[in-house]
Amino acid sequence: DADVTQTPRNRITKTGKRIMLECSQTKGHDRMYWYRQDPGLGLRLIYYSFDVKDINKGEISDGYSVSRQAQAKFSLSLESAIPNQTALYFCATSDGGEGNQPQHFGDGTRLSIL
Amino acid sequence: DQQVKQNSPSLSVQEGRISILNCDYTNSMFDYFLWYKKYPAEGPTFLISISSIKDKNEDGRFTVFLNKSAKHLSLHIVPSQPGDSAVYFCAASESFGAGSYQLTFGKGTKLSVIP
Repeated sequence: DADVTQTPRNRITKTGKRIMLECSQTKGHDRMYWYRQDPGLGLRLIYYSFDVKDINKGEISDGYSVSRQAQAKFSLSLESAIPNQTALYFCATSDGGEGNQPQHFGDGTRLSIL
Repeated sequence: DQQVKQNSPSLSVQEGRISILNCDYTNSMFDYFLWYKKYPAEGPTFLISISSIKDKNEDGRFTVFLNKSAKHLSLHIVPSQPGDSAVYFCAASESFGAGSYQLTFGKGTKLSVIP
């Protein structure tokens, strides 16, 4: 079983719909992250959470919200999806400590908004 | 404004030869640099890291070199193997204290190792 699981893996939806992407982990890490990747661009941080009661905005949080339901679960919501939110979305986890702690990624959710 | 730049979108190398992937950065506050490898339809996986106070870190076939004065790092893969064909992301970490840090990623370089 994957350590970081994202559901769904693929989703096609229409403009204006509310979408939730889910992430669960079995690594026991406190820290969880949501990134998006666009073609030709690197990963950009949307939101991150260092524990259940901690939520922080990343570089591109506008249009998104998150919920940390438990240590193992971190969901990303698009309240009213728009076409430029079409992208590949990754969830990641990490242990605490220094900045060289590797982040462990899920296999991504490919989201298309028509 | 990109703080982490990978100026080569792609690189092709013959099997057995050296692959050199380059990365430049602008933020002098970065204290760690990490390389991730990504295969299609999978998430990125951590490969190797280096502290800003080091100039070299080696792990098997993978070596990362850091030139802090030039704000440049490179990943060397020797010898290159077909299984190394993937997209490689350079990432830099900036600490904000109390164990808080964020990663900034480059756009990636697609490496193709030709048998």
